[in-house]
Amino acid sequence: DQQVKQNSPSLSVQEGRISILNCDYTNSMFDYFLWYKKYPAEGPTFLISISSIKDKNEDGRFTVFLNKSAKHLSLHIVPSQPGDSAVYFCAASGRGTASKLTFGTGTRLQVTL
Amino acid sequence: KAGVTQTPRYLIKTRGQQVTLSCSPISGHRSVSWYQQTPGQGLQFLFEYFSETQRNKGNFPGRFSGRQFSNSRSEMNVSTLELGDSALYLCASRAGSLNTEAFFGQGTRLTVV
Repeated sequence: DQQVKQNSPSLSVQEGRISILNCDYTNSMFDYFLWYKKYPAEGPTFLISISSIKDKNEDGRFTVFLNKSAKHLSLHIVPSQPGDSAVYFCAASGRGTASKLTFGTGTRLQVTL
Repeated sequence: KAGVTQTPRYLIKTRGQQVTLSCSPISGHRSVSWYQQTPGQGLQFLFEYFSETQRNKGNFPGRFSGRQFSNSRSEMNVSTLELGDSALYLCASRAGSLNTEAFFGQGTRLTVV
């Protein structure tokens, strides 16, 4: 039962353009959402998070949007840079039995020159 | 402030053996979670410990076990290793409150031959 889904396994974007990574969730108990970036053979690095009381959170080039009614969140990277090439995971947590961080399967972003 | 430290970084074991992995969380963090990442898979949740108590458990067989010590350091043990246990094992540290970000270590790459 995949409670957090990233339906696009890969995405290729030109340098300077916008990268949009998408994530869907099914568990209504989730109320906190995060994005992580991961390079091969390293641990994931925290990028940005959003609480369910907000619909947008921005940090530099990274913005996360949350649509609670659609159970959908997205990460926008503007402008995309070659160093952004990595695997991006979305994760969610909530209260009670949903308190652990549940991750999606990841989207591999490649930023081309 | 030191990050999450996992030892060893790499490990090669033979089928049937057992292995113990170690994780030292960020100072002051009381929650430690363990994840398994295999090629093509996201981060599969193994278990979470908080103040020496297992708070959450994933869907892994009983061969996978863990514990947390009074100084918040955690160990994960896998007994009767199988080839399919070859993976990157990641430890994540959280301050302990709900809805906070987790910080990951570099991981332990376990190869079972």
